[in-house]
Amino acid sequence: GQQVMQIPQYQHVQEGEDFTTYCNSSTTLSNIQWYKQRPGGHPVFLIQLVKSGEVKKQKRLTFQFGEAKKNSSLHITATQTTDVGTYFCAGLVNTGKLIFGQGTTLQVKP
Amino acid sequence: NAGVTQTPKFRVLKTGQSMTLLCAQDMNHEYMYWYRQDPGMGLRLIHYSVGEGTTAKGEVPDGYNVSRLKKQNFLLGLESAAPSQTSVYFCASSYLGQITDTQYFGPGTRLTVL
Repeated sequence: GQQVMQIPQYQHVQEGEDFTTYCNSSTTLSNIQWYKQRPGGHPVFLIQLVKSGEVKKQKRLTFQFGEAKKNSSLHITATQTTDVGTYFCAGLVNTGKLIFGQGTTLQVKP
Repeated sequence: NAGVTQTPKFRVLKTGQSMTLLCAQDMNHEYMYWYRQDPGMGLRLIHYSVGEGTTAKGEVPDGYNVSRLKKQNFLLGLESAAPSQTSVYFCASSYLGQITDTQYFGPGTRLTVL
């Protein structure tokens, strides 16, 4: 079936270091969305990418959508303790369903 | 606006018991979803609804039933709970389920089946 794979599963960084999570799909995606879930919380929408090769920035967060619309990445520059949480990518497939990746849990040591 | 709310927040069941999880949204969204979240597996779609009176199966529908009698409510039922259904359940809604839509999640229900 259609899958969205996300790596790494966990990442521990020192505060101030950079962080990247990657998302890969077995099929072409209509769009890709990114969500953040704080510990004990619920997923909250961050951003959506629709166009091939699209790059969007939100302060220290940079989101990319691959040229083939099969992969995406989220890069955080100079992590802070407030960045702690699990980041999910979610790809919209041609059946109209949103397929979530397994998530990357980020821990930041102060 | 309260957004998406879920009741109850926590529940412990014994194997074979039944229960219903309630999701309510006040954003006039057409689409509603039920997900389960398990460690290392992300969010998996159980059932969804594209409008009042309609339901459809998602990725992991077995053991669950749903109903959408009113536009603002989406109910998830477990007829005979099993330990494999121990999970955190999230409800979500989106305006029309179109390509540009985002999903708004409720706070979740933590269910333990003994």
